[in-house]
Amino acid sequence: DAKTTQPTSMDCAEGRAANLPCNHSTISGNEYVYWYRQIHSQGPQYIIHGLKNNETNEMASLIITEDRKSSTLILPHATLRDTAVYYCIVRVEGGIETSGSRLTFGEGTQLTVNP
Amino acid sequence: NAGVTQTPKFQVLKTGQSMTLQCAQDMNHEYMSWYRQDPGMGLRLIHYSVGAGITDQGEVPNGYNVSRSTTEDFPLRLLSAAPSQTSVYFCASSSAGVGTYEQYFGPGTRLTVT
Repeated sequence: DAKTTQPTSMDCAEGRAANLPCNHSTISGNEYVYWYRQIHSQGPQYIIHGLKNNETNEMASLIITEDRKSSTLILPHATLRDTAVYYCIVRVEGGIETSGSRLTFGEGTQLTVNP
Repeated sequence: NAGVTQTPKFQVLKTGQSMTLQCAQDMNHEYMSWYRQDPGMGLRLIHYSVGAGITDQGEVPNGYNVSRSTTEDFPLRLLSAAPSQTSVYFCASSSAGVGTYEQYFGPGTRLTVT
């Protein structure tokens, strides 16, 4: 799995957009970009994933650069409950055959949303 | 659905004791795994299973055993607890096959070994 690089910490004002960057310059053509978050002391929670195109769901948007070497997770209107560690993970699509079901976590970005 | 459940939530062991951390899921997921998380660090994979009767080692398997006799359950056994195994343990499950994206995590078991 490709290695990712994320800032250690970021701050965001409540109600503003939180933009979390991730570099994955060695990503392979068949690797997806996944984002998980971990609110203090809880198990990680899936947020969103993408391959090439930008993606949006009810939680967030994912912007992937054209060369796929970096991506940005966007929380459009951050709330205090979004304070968490955010993990950017790249791996092949899930499936037993690929061993892609295993997630390799880095240290993530600690996002603090301030009132 | 209860999702992924883990018991106990907290456990204190003395060095050399053994115990089993329980994990169960009710989503009929083929894939289950165990991670540990040390303070200030990301999760590291201990063992995983791709189906009943099939298990394999992850990144940090030493000192732990697993078995998968049913689809629902994936217990993690500490054979002889050591202080280095003080950590938070998370169990996760997911569906297998193409098009599967999301792993579901349990609430964790906080283990202290003295």
